[in-house]
Amino acid sequence: GQQLNQSPQSMFIQEGEDVSMNCTSSSIFNTWLWYKQDPGEGPVLLIALYKAGELTSNGRLTAQFGITRKDSFLNISASIPSDVGIYFCAGQLPGSNYKLTFGKGTLLTVNP
Amino acid sequence: DAGVTQSPTHLIKTRGQQVTLRCSPISGHKSVSWYQQVLGQGPQFIFQYYEKEERGRGNFPDRFSARQFPNYSSELNVNALLLGDSALYLCASSLGGGSAREQYFGPGTRLTVT
Repeated sequence: GQQLNQSPQSMFIQEGEDVSMNCTSSSIFNTWLWYKQDPGEGPVLLIALYKAGELTSNGRLTAQFGITRKDSFLNISASIPSDVGIYFCAGQLPGSNYKLTFGKGTLLTVNP
Repeated sequence: DAGVTQSPTHLIKTRGQQVTLRCSPISGHKSVSWYQQVLGQGPQFIFQYYEKEERGRGNFPDRFSARQFPNYSSELNVNALLLGDSALYLCASSLGGGSAREQYFGPGTRLTVT
């Protein structure tokens, strides 16, 4: 099936540092979504992007929909311990408007 | 407002058995999607239902089936369970209209097949 390449697989940072993670694909996507998942929980929607080039913020989080429509990145500024979790990108392919394709996730650990 | 709810929270079944998982979407949402998440992976799409009609199906065997009720709640059924069916099963709701945009997930049902 369609793959989203999400990187890095894991990150270990100090509290207060900024974080950047991204997703790439060989296919064009119509929508990019970023989710955070805590252990034993379902993914929580952080940011949704709908147009190429779109830059959207949600508090300390900023995400962008790549111009080529084949990539997206998520930045977290001034990280705090509660940012710990797994971050997933998900995309919606053209003509496949009923499902999301997910990356494998980025595990973020924040050292207080 | 209540979010997406799923039941049961955890389930242990034996190979060959059948299981039914339940989901109630966010009030006002008419579309429900089901995903399977195995450990260490992102969720994989199984089904989407909108207004009681199946809108899409992922690459899963016919042992997997689902339905949506008039109140927009949904059930996922898995027959002839295999060890590989052990996973977190997630339900997501969205406003509907055939779009996958802004899907909101429930806490999931953890299925263990022994």
